[in-house]
Amino acid sequence: GAGVSQTPSNKVTEKGKYVELRCDPISGHTALYWYRQSLGQGPEFLIYFQGTGAADDSGLPNDRFFAVRPEGSVSTLKIQRTERGDSAVYLCASSSEGGARWGYTFGSGTRLTVV
Amino acid sequence: AQTVTQSQPEMSVQEAETVTLSCTYDTSESDYYLFWYKQPPSRQMILVIRQEAYKQQNATENRFSVNFQKAAKSFSLKISDSQLGDAAMYFCAYGGAGGTSYGKLTFGQGTILTVHP
Repeated sequence: GAGVSQTPSNKVTEKGKYVELRCDPISGHTALYWYRQSLGQGPEFLIYFQGTGAADDSGLPNDRFFAVRPEGSVSTLKIQRTERGDSAVYLCASSSEGGARWGYTFGSGTRLTVV
Repeated sequence: AQTVTQSQPEMSVQEAETVTLSCTYDTSESDYYLFWYKQPPSRQMILVIRQEAYKQQNATENRFSVNFQKAAKSFSLKISDSQLGDAAMYFCAYGGAGGTSYGKLTFGQGTILTVHP
């Protein structure tokens, strides 16, 4: 696609529920990133994919968070047993090559609210 | 680990005037990249300007320019001839060129820029 697409735009879920957030990167971009942005803060790194594999998942806060990218294109961020502290904007980005040299193209994010 | 600090939570400027946003960072790496991103209410992060650490020349993109001081670990953004559309949250970001920081961006806390007509 022309840009990075994230769905849904907004998601409200109850504490303890499971959620999936989807990211569709720019066509042909091999690198994909997930970030989490809490209110009034800068984005924080979660995970980086190069192709189908997670090149760096050091930012995932705990084992309730998991992300996949099975065919090297679309990625899904999965959160189990959601907690109120998970409420944030989840941003996805992609780039044509690995590494931060050229910056990334970001999507508009999914705002997750856990009630 | 790298850190990025933006010491100005909010800044304001009159339309057509010039404003400078400050950013400092801490790293032990010698090769890296620096960025300024703009985030309007739409939430999408938009790349404004980038700088490669090994280049001494300051980057310029139209009305946007940076003052990169590598020894001082300072990377400020100057916006000239400010326009109403420049109003947004601005984030400074550090990108590692290798090692454990490869592929990651570390962001500052952001500066909210208000442009007055």
